[in-house]
Amino acid sequence: KAGVTQTPRYLIKTRGQQVTLSCSPISGHRSVSWYQQTPGQGLQFLFEYFSETQRNKGNFPGRFSGRQFSNSRSEMNVSTLELGDSALYLCASSPLGVTGELFFGEGSRLTVL
Amino acid sequence: EDQVTQSPEALRLQEGESSSLNCSYTVSGLRGLFWYRQDPGKGPEFLFTLYSAGEEKEKERLKATLTKKESFLHITAPKPEDSATYLCAESNTGKLIFGQGTTLQVKP
Repeated sequence: KAGVTQTPRYLIKTRGQQVTLSCSPISGHRSVSWYQQTPGQGLQFLFEYFSETQRNKGNFPGRFSGRQFSNSRSEMNVSTLELGDSALYLCASSPLGVTGELFFGEGSRLTVL
Repeated sequence: EDQVTQSPEALRLQEGESSSLNCSYTVSGLRGLFWYRQDPGKGPEFLFTLYSAGEEKEKERLKATLTKKESFLHITAPKPEDSATYLCAESNTGKLIFGQGTTLQVKP
C-alpha cells in the first residue's frame, strides 16, 4: 500500500513569493491535515480537510490556505512568504480525521531567503 | 488554550537502561491522547492512542499509560534503534495539539 506522498521535498523561495505544496494521501483516506514543524515551535496544526471541506483551522494568518480535491489530494499555499515561514511542512492522511491514527508523509522542507 | 507539555526535552540512556517519558495536558474531557515517534528527516510514525484514564497499551519495548492529567511512555530495556524524538498530542477540539517532544538517545 503506497504511503502519503508530498511534493516537492525541498524548495527555496525568496521573501514575498508564494509557494504551493502538494499531498497525495493513502488511497481511501478522506482526511488530510497539514502541519508546520520548526525547531522553536515544534509541530503546529495548520488545517484539516475532509471530503473537500475544511473541518478545522489552526492559529495561522490568512496567508496560509489549502484545498482538497475530489480525489482527496490536497494542496496548501503560502502567499507573501516571510523568513519565519521556513519550516518542514508535513501532511497526514487518515480514514476519519485527526482523532484517529494519522499517516504522515516525509514533508516538504521550505527555505525562505 | 489547550496545552501539551513533554518532559524531559532530551534523554540519554545506556542500552538496557529503562526509563519513562512524561506528557501532561490541560484539556478536560480528553478525546484522545496520541504518541508518535519521529526519526530525523522523516514524518512522525503512529505508536499509540489512549482514550481514558487507566488505559494502557504496549508495543515491543514501549508501554503507554494514561491518567487524568498526564501520560507516560515507558521504555523497557531500550536498544539503540529506539533513538528518536517521541511526540505526544491531543485532539480535543478537532485540532491536533502536539507537545515539543522528547529526544531520546540510546547508547550501546
